[in-house]
Amino acid sequence: EPEVTQTPSHQVTQMGQEVILRCVPISNHLYFYWYRQILGQKVEFLVSFYNNEISEKSEIFDDQFSVERPDGSNFTLKIRSTKLEDSAMYFCASTYRVRSRGEQFFGPGTRLTVL
Amino acid sequence: KNEVEQSPQNLTAQEGEFITINCSYSVGISALHWLQQHPGGGIVSLFMLSSGKKKHGRLIATINIQEKHSSLHITASHPRDSAVYICAARSGGGADGLTFGKGTHLIIQP
Repeated sequence: EPEVTQTPSHQVTQMGQEVILRCVPISNHLYFYWYRQILGQKVEFLVSFYNNEISEKSEIFDDQFSVERPDGSNFTLKIRSTKLEDSAMYFCASTYRVRSRGEQFFGPGTRLTVL
Repeated sequence: KNEVEQSPQNLTAQEGEFITINCSYSVGISALHWLQQHPGGGIVSLFMLSSGKKKHGRLIATINIQEKHSSLHITASHPRDSAVYICAARSGGGADGLTFGKGTHLIIQP
């Protein structure tokens, strides 16, 4: 069964460093998402991406964040200058239907630790 | 902005019990998702509902659009059902991100 994959599973970085989190969505999916979950808190929406551009972003997704689909398979989240409060689990998700209510399929997550 | 509330926050039950988890949301939605999160952190989609009721195995999800309320039921609960169950609402079309509840931490004791 196709699945969303994410790499790395765990990333440790120093405050101020840039990190890139990678996701490979399910191959025929068209909408892509990033979510984050700070330890002990609820999952929060960061950004959605469709047709090579951002469709929607939350207040959390400020200028320190960017997303890209550099090729036909990868979907990346970049944090330019990490802060301690960026430590969280980051989930990628994808769905396949255009203008519909498609079920979202989640990746296993990348745990980001900022020291 | 949609607010999604779940109850209870924590639930411990004995194996075999019928489980109900409730979710309410504040504004109209296009779909409501029920998700399961295991201790390792991974999230699995259980149901996506826009009306009525869905059933998959021992899991049943219902939604009442007028009352802005959804329930997840587990029949004949089993220790392997122990997980965090999360409801999440989507307000618009396919591009809109989900608004999540805080989750219900379910423990089923043998």
